[in-house]
Amino acid sequence: DVKVTQSSRYLVKRTGEKVFLECVQDMDHENMFWYRQDPGLGLRLIYFSYDVKMKEKGDIPEGYSVSREKKERFSLILESASTNQTSMYLCASDGYSGANVLTFGAGSRLTVL
Amino acid sequence: GQSLEQPSEVTAVEGAIVQINCTYQTSGFYGLSWYQQHDGGAPTFLSYNALDGLEETGRFSSFLSRSDSYGYLLLQELQMKDSASYFCAVGGRDDKIIFGKGTRLHILP
Repeated sequence: DVKVTQSSRYLVKRTGEKVFLECVQDMDHENMFWYRQDPGLGLRLIYFSYDVKMKEKGDIPEGYSVSREKKERFSLILESASTNQTSMYLCASDGYSGANVLTFGAGSRLTVL
Repeated sequence: GQSLEQPSEVTAVEGAIVQINCTYQTSGFYGLSWYQQHDGGAPTFLSYNALDGLEETGRFSSFLSRSDSYGYLLLQELQMKDSASYFCAVGGRDDKIIFGKGTRLHILP
């Protein structure tokens, strides 16, 4: 089975701090995604990447950046965390080009105080 | 852009059949998929439709009509463990995968 591992299950940060959320997948998947999930809003796409060093903006990229230096690792960065970035962050990977069969990590619940 | 509409909540009785609808707008449509998410868990993939018609996987089936930009997830012989949120998602030519806001399924004994 494909495994997607997110480094932190729960994080508490202060406003203005820099936050790194790490995601690693073990099945050589091309595509990786970062979503945030908030009650009533579903999953909203922040950024995705279809190859090493490639990144594309999703629907809500403001306040976030990403890094993909290796195929298996996709990092989400909050340069200066704000309280409205308190959320559940979900990483996913997809090995089927043109399809959308995502495997998700367990999620990282971030609280910004 | 891409957008999806699905009901926010659906209630059904254990042992019955329930259908969750999804309409979408997207450019360069590749396919419609469905995910299940239990409280506190991550979404898990259920099914994918790229072509018109019905796909069956055990008690779950998914239908797609590309001409109507419409699909549904059909759950049969409902069990209490099927109580969860269900999301439809579309993939398009731009490689984005966009999700609906989710449908909360409540199952009554």
